[in-house]
Amino acid sequence: GENVEQHPSTLSVQEGDSAVIKCTYSDSASNYFPWYKQELGKRPQLIIDIRSNVGEKKDQRIAVTLNKTAKHFSLHITETQPEDSAVYFCAFRTGYQKVTFGIGTKLQVIP
Amino acid sequence: ETGVTQTPRHLVMGMTNKKSLKCEQHLGHNAMYWYKQSAKKPLELMFVYNFKEQTENNSVPSRFSPECPNSSHLFLHLHTLQPEDSALYLCASSQSGELFFGEGSRLTVL
Repeated sequence: GENVEQHPSTLSVQEGDSAVIKCTYSDSASNYFPWYKQELGKRPQLIIDIRSNVGEKKDQRIAVTLNKTAKHFSLHITETQPEDSAVYFCAFRTGYQKVTFGIGTKLQVIP
Repeated sequence: ETGVTQTPRHLVMGMTNKKSLKCEQHLGHNAMYWYKQSAKKPLELMFVYNFKEQTENNSVPSRFSPECPNSSHLFLHLHTLQPEDSALYLCASSQSGELFFGEGSRLTVL
């Protein structure tokens, strides 16, 4: 079945440093790759997404890169701030609306 | 407010009880989802509905029974659950990309 590997499972960085989270997916037919952020006690919310016809997308301090050949996609957060501390989930879509999530990365930004 | 409302927010039930979780979306989306979130398997897909029709059942045990009477409402009927079913159950809706999640229903099975 479809699955996605996400790593690392935990990540601690100093405030101002960059954080990178990587995911590898299995289904080559996947065409949509979102990233969600879940703060403690809150619902997951989309922070950035990328479609298979694009290799990179950036939104202020957040960027996502996609390598379809290698089936890898990554989230990059620059100039990290304490409010970036949360669990981040990668996901991919297969079929019409099936969205499968990675196991999550707990990011801690140390002031 | 994301437009996806779940009730109840908290539920405690015994293994012989029958209860239901409700989800309602006011976003005009055509797809609705149930996800289970626990410490062991975060955000595990359970069911997907498109235009009221079930399009995905991720090998979910029959003690979980979904119902989608229309594109705006989704239920999860629960009966004879096990303690390991204790988790946060998240509903979401989507049109063609972004998932909009509800606040979740925290279920505890005693």
